[in-house]
Amino acid sequence: GENVEQHPSTLSVQEGDSAVIKCTYSDSASNYFPWYKQELGKRPQLIIDIRSNVGEKKDQRIAVTLNKTAKHFSLHITETQPEDSAVYFCAAVISGYALNFGKGTSLLVTP
Amino acid sequence: DTAVSQTPKYLVTQMGNDKSIKCEQNLGHDTMYWYKQDSKKFLKIMFSYNNKELIINETVPNRFSPKSPDKAHLNLHINSLELGDSAVYFCASSHLGGVAGANVLTFGAGSRLTVL
Repeated sequence: GENVEQHPSTLSVQEGDSAVIKCTYSDSASNYFPWYKQELGKRPQLIIDIRSNVGEKKDQRIAVTLNKTAKHFSLHITETQPEDSAVYFCAAVISGYALNFGKGTSLLVTP
Repeated sequence: DTAVSQTPKYLVTQMGNDKSIKCEQNLGHDTMYWYKQDSKKFLKIMFSYNNKELIINETVPNRFSPKSPDKAHLNLHINSLELGDSAVYFCASSHLGGVAGANVLTFGAGSRLTVL
């Protein structure tokens, strides 16, 4: 199945700084790449996604970039705030159906 | 209205017991999933059903048996529970490809299973 590698596993930044999380995938047929945020004790929720016909997508302070040639995609969070602290998961579609998730990045934003 | 609801939210049981978790979605999605999240927060796909048909069955012990009576419901039954089954089990649903918003998962709140 699709293998999704995610780095780093933990990330600590100061409030106001930027955070970048990177993922690579193995199946060149994958065409959908979402990012989910999971706050402590809560369910994962979609924050942004990108489909393979675009290279970048932005939504206020978050952006995702995709490099299909290199098979990697990244999440960028600018002007981080303490409420951005959570576990972030990247994912890619496997078998055309389900999402296979990376192992998660625990982001801590310190005031 | 809760979009994806699963019950129970917490389940504490002894090794060797059998237990079930139920899931229902009211989003009109055609595909439902079970994911397992262990203590290290890894989210791993277990099963996927499309219109009541099993389409993904990852390497999961056959003690786990999913059942989808209709496309709005997907239940998970676990036999002979083991310590390693302790985890949070998330139900999710989505549309499949070909429609706007395809593959976007909506998760339930999770069911925390503790096996003693």
